[in-house]
This record gives sequence, structure tokens and C-alpha cells, in this order.
Amino acid sequence: AQSVTQLGSHVSVSEGALVLLRCNYSSSVPPYLFWYVQYPNQGLQLLLKYTSAATLVKGINGFEAEFKKSETSFHLTKPSAHMSDAAEYFCAVSEAGTALIFGKGTTLSVSS
Amino acid sequence: SQTIHQWPATLVQPVGSPLSLECTVEGTSNPNLYWYRQAAGRGLQLLFYSVGIGQISSEVPQNLSASRPQDRQFILSSKKLLLSDSGFYLCAWRTGTEAFFGQGTRLTVV
Repeated sequence: AQSVTQLGSHVSVSEGALVLLRCNYSSSVPPYLFWYVQYPNQGLQLLLKYTSAATLVKGINGFEAEFKKSETSFHLTKPSAHMSDAAEYFCAVSEAGTALIFGKGTTLSVSS
Repeated sequence: SQTIHQWPATLVQPVGSPLSLECTVEGTSNPNLYWYRQAAGRGLQLLFYSVGIGQISSEVPQNLSASRPQDRQFILSSKKLLLSDSGFYLCAWRTGTEAFFGQGTRLTVV
């Protein structure tokens, strides 16, 4: 069975600092991996996805993530945080065409 | 382009009342459709998924049901709402490597 663990339910950074949100997955088959962002009372917006191509994936808003099979990780990073990055972030794993299995989410706070 | 519509955006219902949330998809055919519920601090819980008309699989036993009367329509229902049914409900569709979500329905059962 697939599963996702997001380490840290809440991460706080200063504006301009590095953002690192951690995600580890479990899957018995080569996974598809996703990061979504959610703003209050809104749906989920796809930030980026890994689908067995390049292991370093670049997404929207300056975010990127690196698939590391040996570590079963897919951590999300951004070199310099902006106030508008404050939101909840979800990591998800799936097989092709099947339901996405989500982590419990990480709330990112950005202070000035 | 593919879009997903979900309504209503917010809903306040009394305990014991029925529920019907609707989700429709445009720009794709024969999508896999999903209903998720999001509760505070618990991430997104998969409730139902459907791979075709009339085909529904339930992931979690509960007070809710789902139906897929048309290829691009997915409905979440309840005959009698419970307080514990409150939450944020999201519809999603999946095809190949893509997965898209609706804007969600905030349901408050009072």
C-alpha cells in the first residue's frame, strides 16, 4: 500500500529564507509524486509533479523538488520565501491513473 | 482545456437533513473521479472513486454515498447528515499523469 509522510505539520521561515518542506513516501511500484498548495477555503493547486522523467522537477512560483529513490523522498524547496508563499502544502503519491494518497499537510508561515 | 466545477462553495445544513454535492468535469472523457474530505490536521481522506458510469468504490465506511449518473458527473450524497460530516469536500479527476481538483465545498452541519 502507498503512503506519504510529511515531516513537520508547521514550518516557519523568514521572508527571503530557504523553504524546505519534507516528504517521504512508500510505494511498491515506481511512484508518481505530487506537491499541491492550498490557500484558505480553496481547492488544491498543483505545484509540480514527478512522473519518472527528470529527478529534479521545477514547478510554479519558484518551487522545485528532487526525487531521491534511495531515500524515498520528494522534498519541496524554494531558495527565497515570499510572504505570498504562506499556505498549506500537501505531498501526494500514486500509481498511474489511480487515486492520489496524501500526506497530512504542512502549514508554511512566512514572517517579515 | 480541462476544468472541474464543484458546487456549492459553502453549505450549512442541520443534523438529519439530506446532502447533495455535485461535481462536473469538462474537456476530458472517461476520467477517473474522486471525492475527498479534508478535516483540520488530518490531510485529505479519500472517500469514493469512480472509473466509469455507475461504478463506485468506497474507501471508508460512513454516512455518505456517491453516484456517477453521467461520464463527467459525480455526486456525493447523504440521507441524514451527522455533525461529524462537517468538513471541506473536494472533487478531483485523474487521467494519466494529471490530477485536478475542484474549488471545494465547505460543509457545516449544525
